[in-house]
Amino acid sequence: QSVLTQPPSVSGAPGQRVTISCTGSSSNIGAGYDVHWYQQLPGTAPKLLIYGNSNRPSGVPDRFSGSKSGTSASLAITGLQAEDEADYYCQSYDSSLSVYWVFGGGTKLTVL
Amino acid sequence: QVQLVESGGGLVKPGGSLRLSCAASGFTFSDYYMSWIRQAPGKGLEWVSYISSSGSTIYYADSVKGRFTISRDNAKNSLYLQMNSLRAEDTAVYYCARNDYGDFFDYWGQGTLVTVSS
Repeated sequence: QSVLTQPPSVSGAPGQRVTISCTGSSSNIGAGYDVHWYQQLPGTAPKLLIYGNSNRPSGVPDRFSGSKSGTSASLAITGLQAEDEADYYCQSYDSSLSVYWVFGGGTKLTVL
Repeated sequence: QVQLVESGGGLVKPGGSLRLSCAASGFTFSDYYMSWIRQAPGKGLEWVSYISSSGSTIYYADSVKGRFTISRDNAKNSLYLQMNSLRAEDTAVYYCARNDYGDFFDYWGQGTLVTVSS
């Protein structure tokens, strides 16, 4: 079981808006640690999508946005495009004993 | 541009050993923390090990502690993962990743597949 909880799948039609949730606990997101998001296209390595809860690396379209509140975070994708179909992972830091960098289980985004 | 290239993966029998390498270029390797992250077939991402820029601080996930050893050679711009006593559950694609600010992973290699099977 992953330390951070994500829905296994979400879907949306082209042009629509979808959100992916990431739920943690008081030892990670709730402790104030930042949440980061990665996009993994089929057959490729993960790519940093959002860092520090809501910041986009250069080259990432502003259709992607992130937010954090309490023990949860969300990734929003607006103007859905076919090339957005991928797996998305959230990641944070955990201060529990022997647990450091933790990931969500991943969410498969299907563009209908 | 930043490049991370892993090598050393392959098929190994349970109980065997393997050494992964990651060649870094396009940035000052000695300035950055680095990590190994793995992904079992069809599964999610799992952080495996971390090493500070100087190599003085090292962390491991419980699942590999005592069996895996991370190291780096800043003169050779290289990161390593020595994997001993390998188990079937260690089968995964292993990625090296730059650990920016020790917080998130801003660049990833293409991964190298390790298969542990008899």
